[in-house]
Amino acid sequence: NLMLTQPHSVSESPGKTVTISCTGNSGTIAANYVQWYQQRPGSAPTIVIYEHDQRPSGVPDRFSGSIDSSSNSASLIISGLKTEDEADYYCQSYDTFRHSVAFGGGTKLTV
Amino acid sequence: EVQLVESGGGVVQPGGSLRLSCAASGFFFEDHIMHWVRQPPGKGLEWVAHVTWDGVQTYYADSVEGRFTVSRDNSKKTLHLQMNSLKTEDTATYFCAKDIADRDYSGYWDLWGQGALVTVSS
Repeated sequence: NLMLTQPHSVSESPGKTVTISCTGNSGTIAANYVQWYQQRPGSAPTIVIYEHDQRPSGVPDRFSGSIDSSSNSASLIISGLKTEDEADYYCQSYDTFRHSVAFGGGTKLTV
Repeated sequence: EVQLVESGGGVVQPGGSLRLSCAASGFFFEDHIMHWVRQPPGKGLEWVAHVTWDGVQTYYADSVEGRFTVSRDNSKKTLHLQMNSLKTEDTATYFCAKDIADRDYSGYWDLWGQGALVTVSS
């Protein structure tokens, strides 16, 4: 089964840059696209990055994504942090063989 | 208005059943894979199931396989999740979500419902 591991929490000051990692347990994480979702308390998730590094319209360019095949991991990078970025962030990918979807455990970002 | 609205949540005893519905509006429902995702109180997201645009193929998480059934009625633009043999660990807010791709899977889920709370307790 595809499993995605994220740090439980990260904290950084306003204006700084933070990186949230998402590590796959098997195969290559680059084989299937990774998405990133933001969830604020009491709300449904919203997408901030799709297909590893693509940004949906309306998402600030302070948000970016990357893939590192050597470490089998994906990253969400948020620069110029604002207090409004405080939220839980989840990586998500697809296990093609099992036709199942995996979410990371989520990372709580404190700004 | 483009939206998804879940209904059918509530309190049920262990071993009981519940049926969730997700009413879609404002887009061509019949062209999109639809998903159910759940979130236990204070915990992370867990994918539950998805159904192809035509309702022919369904896929489930191991934790619900054999107990839950996902279906859709494209004529009524409605997605369902029949939950049987419920366990206390099924307690969660259940979200329906729309895949942005046209009759394909993309991982980019651009529309989510507000969630329906299911509590399994004696």
